[in-house]
Amino acid sequence: DSGVTQTPKHLITATGQRVTLRCSPRSGDLSVYWYQQSLDQGLQFLIQYYNGEERAKGNILERFSAQQFPDLHSELNLSSLELGDSALYFCASSVVDNNEQFFGPGTRLTVL
Amino acid sequence: GDSVTQMEGPVTLSEEAFLTINCTYTATGYPSLFWYVQYPGEGLQLLLKATKADDKGSNKGFEATYRKETTSFHLEKGSVQVSDSAVYFCALSGLNNDYKLSFGAGTTVTVRA
Repeated sequence: DSGVTQTPKHLITATGQRVTLRCSPRSGDLSVYWYQQSLDQGLQFLIQYYNGEERAKGNILERFSAQQFPDLHSELNLSSLELGDSALYFCASSVVDNNEQFFGPGTRLTVL
Repeated sequence: GDSVTQMEGPVTLSEEAFLTINCTYTATGYPSLFWYVQYPGEGLQLLLKATKADDKGSNKGFEATYRKETTSFHLEKGSVQVSDSAVYFCALSGLNNDYKLSFGAGTTVTVRA
């Protein structure tokens, strides 16, 4: 158990819908990272937050957005969902900015 | 851009066999290098890391050495067990001070009893 929690574990929805994925980092970790794992794209970095502020952006679509709240949990919002958004979405956290990221169990999103 | 290339799988081995998974990287600076492991139905776990050239990371019998001259970070284990069956990912980070991880495609390893 990494100490990073993600909810829900599974999510099934329809095209065009909007969903919110939630992540609670390890106690004391200020950085949160979001990654997408899909069969065709592999594991890709989406976005990073550090203590409430956006720190880095990767291959994140404009339909996707994220935020980190004062209690340091983070949410990833996915809107106007398409079939191709079906994937595993991982959250990771780390103490300040360093190289050791701890991953949550992931949320499996299925868009029908 | 920065990227990681690792050998394609799947790899199937017998117990106690030697495992090696090749990983090479392309980067403009000197990244930190990692191996992560993903067991079935679980998230990623850090297996080992190396932060500078010639560093050797090791954990649970696995080893990898950061080779700057060949831009490689190959993973090795001398005697695998059934419990080592998993997907292994090579990754780099630390460039541009953002610490995001760039992953290879992953190598699926199956160890048979």
